Amino acid sequence: NAGVTQTPKFRVLKTGQSMTLLCAQDMNHEYMYWYRQDPGMGLRLIHYSVGEGTTAKGEVPDGYNVSRLKKQNFLLGLESAAPSQTSVYFCASSDPGGAETQYFGPGTRLLVL
Amino acid sequence: AQSVTQPDIHITVSEGASLELRCNYSYGATPYLFWYVQSPGQGLQLLLKYFSGDTLVQGIKGFEAEFKRSQSSFNLRKPSVHWSDAAEYFCPVEAAGNKLTFGGGTRVLVKP
Repeated sequence: NAGVTQTPKFRVLKTGQSMTLLCAQDMNHEYMYWYRQDPGMGLRLIHYSVGEGTTAKGEVPDGYNVSRLKKQNFLLGLESAAPSQTSVYFCASSDPGGAETQYFGPGTRLLVL
Repeated sequence: AQSVTQPDIHITVSEGASLELRCNYSYGATPYLFWYVQSPGQGLQLLLKYFSGDTLVQGIKGFEAEFKRSQSSFNLRKPSVHWSDAAEYFCPVEAAGNKLTFGGGTRVLVKP
């Protein structure tokens, strides 16, 4: 099993450009999440999904959109990138229910100039 | 709203010495608590979790953590640190709907 994979690993964007980050999981998990990690702030939840076709906002959703058209994939979109979106982005997945382990991908490092 | 504080931003420890990482949480109900480790350039890996029962929780890689409700703490310990334990450690608390709230993390440096 590959677990959780993320594409791309690294990307440089100019302000105003758009891009999509892809997350894929092969564990048949219902729940998927997108986080961003910034120095000294830990990880913050951007959006999450509790099943195919459903998405919800997390703690810091502004400037991002998501889609979950297939159970195994969760896409994070930046329509018009800003320097404040320079960060490392992590995707995770889990089973539903309390205290379930979240399995994280290796991350995507994004630099917006 | 729930929150997590990890008071130590950096900790330096000698190889073979003991390690304790502090974690304090704020949450209205009985919390689900986790410790994750992030090695440089990697994603996060679960070390252990607490959701009920015995307040001393054993995890992988020789780590353990103790839940103390009276102190709102969930501190992580390891009796003898290895060079491979150099990493960043996070102790998120789970809110409803499996959503994790993270603290700022503690970076551990291991001296030879």
